[in-house]
Amino acid sequence: SQTIHQWPATLVQPVGSPLSLECTVEGTSNPNLYWYRQAAGRGLQLLFYSVGIGQISSEVPQNLSASRPQDRQFILSSKKLLLSDSGFYLCAWSVQGGNEQFFGPGTRLTVL
Amino acid sequence: KNEVEQSPQNLTAQEGEFITINCSYSVGISALHWLQQHPGGGIVSLFMLSSGKKKHGRLIATINIQEKHSSLHITASHPRDSAVYICAVRRGGAQKLVFGQGTRLTINP
Repeated sequence: SQTIHQWPATLVQPVGSPLSLECTVEGTSNPNLYWYRQAAGRGLQLLFYSVGIGQISSEVPQNLSASRPQDRQFILSSKKLLLSDSGFYLCAWSVQGGNEQFFGPGTRLTVL
Repeated sequence: KNEVEQSPQNLTAQEGEFITINCSYSVGISALHWLQQHPGGGIVSLFMLSSGKKKHGRLIATINIQEKHSSLHITASHPRDSAVYICAVRRGGAQKLVFGQGTRLTINP
């Protein structure tokens, strides 16, 4: 069966520090991968999606970047965090051409 | 205006009541999803609809493509149904989803 992992589960970082959030999927090959952010009191927003290794599409201009160094690994990064980067970050995957997305447990990031 | 609008934003009801959460969208879609987000943040997919109606246990989801509207119903609501319910529509390639703001449901015993 397929599983999706995210870590860390929670993170508190100072403004200006770097960020690296990791997402890995098990039990499937060549998935579509997604990073979403849920800011406090707001809906989920798609940040990045990837259809293959090294292929990243950015949905909104921001202080973050994403990379997919391996087929089932998706990394969200920042060189210098802003207060506005605080939120709940969710990774998701779907089968290529499939309709349903499966979400990871999320990482709650607080930037102080 | 958001492409996906949910109502109400917050809903409190007593155990056993029939619950309806509404979702309206303003764009062409290929599918609509209903998701449940638990207090810890984890998200579970409840339904994916492109037409008609689906039922799973006490949950029923309907969609009217012409009216660009979907509803999620919960029969015989229970406190464990308390969660945020999110409507999302699928547009374009790569299965990108656009999300509503969510409806926070609280069921009191």
